[in-house]
Amino acid sequence: KQEVTQIPAALSVPEGENLVLNCSFTDSAIYNLQWFRQDPGKGLTSLLLIQSSQREQTSGRLNASLDKSSGRSTLYIAASQPGDSATYLCAVGSLSGNTPLVFGKGTRLSVIA
Amino acid sequence: DAGVTQSPTHLIKTRGQQVTLRCSPISGHKSVSWYQQVLGQGPQFIFQYYEKEERGRGNFPDRFSARQFPNYSSELNVNALLLGDSALYLCASSLQDRGLTEAFFGQGTRLTVV
Repeated sequence: KQEVTQIPAALSVPEGENLVLNCSFTDSAIYNLQWFRQDPGKGLTSLLLIQSSQREQTSGRLNASLDKSSGRSTLYIAASQPGDSATYLCAVGSLSGNTPLVFGKGTRLSVIA
Repeated sequence: DAGVTQSPTHLIKTRGQQVTLRCSPISGHKSVSWYQQVLGQGPQFIFQYYEKEERGRGNFPDRFSARQFPNYSSELNVNALLLGDSALYLCASSLQDRGLTEAFFGQGTRLTVV
């Protein structure tokens, strides 16, 4: 059974700092990995999708990497801003089982002005 | 283009009642999935439909049911509501089956059971 873990659970940083969020998964047989942002009480916004054959994806100040063999992904946020404050969720599209996406519990990020 | 739309956005129900939640996927998307998210947790998979057929079911009781219509919209039904069913219900649409392609989520329906 695929399990996804995100560390840390919460993170507080000053504005302008570069930061890394971590995601690990137990089964390397995956289609892809997707990073989402969630504002309080809202739905999920897709940030980046990495296919299993890719090593990284970039969008603006965001860069996500994938190391399938070690079961790890990182989301790098450059020059953080207060508007980046949200919960960031990692989700794996697993080859096994019948679940389209298996989610971690998320990392709650606060960027202090 | 319209994104994934869910209705209603909020509702309050009494224990034992029944509720129906609705989801319209992005135009052209044939896969719809439902997830339940309780406070402080990641979303948990409930159902997936692709081309109007059930493709997967999560570990939820039979009180939960769903269906997909010919226009690919979907409904999630929950019978005999319990206090523990209070959560944010999320709908996701994608082009292809399973987790093959990028998933896009709606804004969710906040269900409160009192």
